[in-house]
Amino acid sequence: GNSVTQMEGPVTLSEEAFLTINCTYTATGYPSLFWYVQYPGEGLQLLLKATKADDKGSNKGFEATYRKETTSFHLEKGSVQVSDSAVYFCALWGGLTGGGNKLTFGTGTQLKVEL
Amino acid sequence: NAGVTQTPKFRVLKTGQSMTLLCAQDMNHEYMYWYRQDPGMGLRLIHYSVGEGTTAKGEVPDGYNVSRLKKQNFLLGLESAAPSQTSVYFCASSYPEAGSYEQYFGPGTRLTVT
Repeated sequence: GNSVTQMEGPVTLSEEAFLTINCTYTATGYPSLFWYVQYPGEGLQLLLKATKADDKGSNKGFEATYRKETTSFHLEKGSVQVSDSAVYFCALWGGLTGGGNKLTFGTGTQLKVEL
Repeated sequence: NAGVTQTPKFRVLKTGQSMTLLCAQDMNHEYMYWYRQDPGMGLRLIHYSVGEGTTAKGEVPDGYNVSRLKKQNFLLGLESAAPSQTSVYFCASSYPEAGSYEQYFGPGTRLTVT
C-alpha cells in the first residue's frame, strides 16, 4: 500500500535560517504529492502540491520538488519566520483506486522558529 | 463561502455516552471525509463518502458510524464512547471531478472521553 515517511520533529530554527523537512513516499503508479500546514488550534491548509515528476510546487516562499527517482518531496524555505511555526504534513494521493480519493498522510513535523 | 465547518469545537464525554459530530461544507463538493488526529500518528481516515447517500469505511472505522443524508453534511456518530476515542477529529471535503485532488479541512473538534 501507499505510505509517507517524514522526518521526526520538533525542528527548532532561528529566524531567517534555512529550512528542510524531508519526505519520502512509497506508492505504485504516479501519485500526486502535497504539503499541508497546521497552525496551532486550526485545521490543515494546503501549502503546495505537485502532480507529476519534476514538478515544483511553491507558495509563501516554500518549495518542494517531486523527485520520482528518489521518491521524495522535501519541503524547503530559504528564510523562515516566527509565523512559520506550525506542524507540516506531507501527503500522497495515489489515485481513484476503489473510489474515495483518499490521501495518505505522514505523521507530521513540528517546526518552531525562534527570534 | 464558509468552507468546511464543524460543530462542536470541544466536547467532554463520559465513557459509554453517545454524541454526533456535524460537518458542513458549502463548496458543493461530492466527497467528504472524517479523520482523527493523534500525537505521533498523523491523520487516520475513519469513514468517507463519495456522494449523498453513500458511506464507506476508512482505516480506523470501529466504534464510529456516519451518515450523508444531504450532500453538504456529513455526520460522525459515537454510539458508546471509549477513552481510546479521545482525539481531535477533522472533517474534509474534495471535488475530484474538477481534477483537483486536494482536500479542504474544517477547524477540528477536540473530544475528550473520561
